[in-house]
Amino acid sequence: NAGVTQTPKFRVLKTGQSMTLLCAQDMNHEYMYWYRQDPGMGLRLIHYSVGEGTTAKGEVPDGYNVSRLKKQNFLLGLESAAPSQTSVYFCASRRAGEAAEQYFGPGTRLTVT
Amino acid sequence: GIQVEQSPPDLILQEGANSTLRCNFSDSVNNLQWFHQNPWGQLINLFYIPSGTKQNGRLSATTVATERYSLLYISSSQTTDSGVYFCAVLNSGGYQKVTFGTGTKLQVIP
Repeated sequence: NAGVTQTPKFRVLKTGQSMTLLCAQDMNHEYMYWYRQDPGMGLRLIHYSVGEGTTAKGEVPDGYNVSRLKKQNFLLGLESAAPSQTSVYFCASRRAGEAAEQYFGPGTRLTVT
Repeated sequence: GIQVEQSPPDLILQEGANSTLRCNFSDSVNNLQWFHQNPWGQLINLFYIPSGTKQNGRLSATTVATERYSLLYISSSQTTDSGVYFCAVLNSGGYQKVTFGTGTKLQVIP
């Protein structure tokens, strides 16, 4: 049982390049989330999904797109990376309903130069 | 949206000391968790505690939902307790957005 995994762990991009971050969970959770964490700050929600084929915007969605084609995977895309998107990205998942814990992946450290 | 405030923002403890971290939230919640982010960046689940009191070893937590706060107690602190402690809440009312507090940075010195 791997829990929540993220690919890649580290990445360096040049301004304007695109990339996709992959989050996978093997706990059959309905809900999945993407957060970003900037130095010295808490986590801010980018996008989330309450089920396969559904996505919704969080606090800071601009510059990102997401897709949830399979229940176990949640993809975060950057179409044209900007230095302001340099951050650590965390994925999380939990089962449906309000009384459920979130479980986090190990994070992806992204640098945009 | 819901506001989540944590205090103190920074805390330095001598090894063996006790501490209390606080999380205040501005609206009713059905879901509250405490996390520890270790110095390597990993987020570790400590407690799921929307109400009541729980204990796990040297750590315990209490949430008083009617008064909109939660407390995390660390007793006999160890250097491995260093890191940042976050609380995260989920609004009542069917919304699925989770909001994190800004964290308490704890440093335990030998």
